[in-house]
Amino acid sequence: AQSVTQPDIHITVSEGASLELRCNYSYGATPYLFWYVQSPGQGLQLLLKYFSGDTLVQGIKGFEAEFKRSQSSFNLRKPSVHWSDAAEYFCAVGVSISSGSARQLTFGSGTQLTVLP
Amino acid sequence: DAGVTQSPTHLIKTRGQQVTLRCSPKSGHDTVSWYQQALGQGPQFIFQYYEEEERQRGNFPDRFSGHQFPNYSSELNVNALLLGDSALYLCASSLGSSVYSPLHFGNGTRLTVT
Repeated sequence: AQSVTQPDIHITVSEGASLELRCNYSYGATPYLFWYVQSPGQGLQLLLKYFSGDTLVQGIKGFEAEFKRSQSSFNLRKPSVHWSDAAEYFCAVGVSISSGSARQLTFGSGTQLTVLP
Repeated sequence: DAGVTQSPTHLIKTRGQQVTLRCSPKSGHDTVSWYQQALGQGPQFIFQYYEEEERQRGNFPDRFSGHQFPNYSSELNVNALLLGDSALYLCASSLGSSVYSPLHFGNGTRLTVT
């Protein structure tokens, strides 16, 4: 079965500093990978996704992520963090069912980001 | 263009009761998935509805059931509520059930079971 690990429960960075959130996945086939962000009291917003091709993907709000098959990782990065980036971040792997009729996302347990002024 | 809307936003129930949560998908979307997010955890897949049928189900007991209507809206029903059912229930919609179709999430229904 597929699984996603986010090793860092909580990360604190200063505004303007760079950010890297780690994500490792376990899945037997080619993974479809996603990063979502959740602000308090809100649903999840898609930041970026990887299906195939270029292993460096760009997302919204200045985020990017790099897929490394050899390390089973899909880490999220941002060069300069803004106070509004404070939120919880979830990595997810999408599973394509062989019948092609349905799919689900398996999420990690999340990383809470605090941004210091 | 309305996004995914869920109702109610908050709900308090007693153990043993039954609850119904509702979801209206984003305009143009035809597929609805439900996720349970316990406090401090990532969302867990409950099931997905497409063409008014349950297409896939996660590791949840039969107490959890759902329905999709012809207008693509959906309901999640939970019977015989347990304390452990307290969570944020998220509805996500997409166009088709392909993995390439990104999920759009609603803001969720916070269920508290006492």
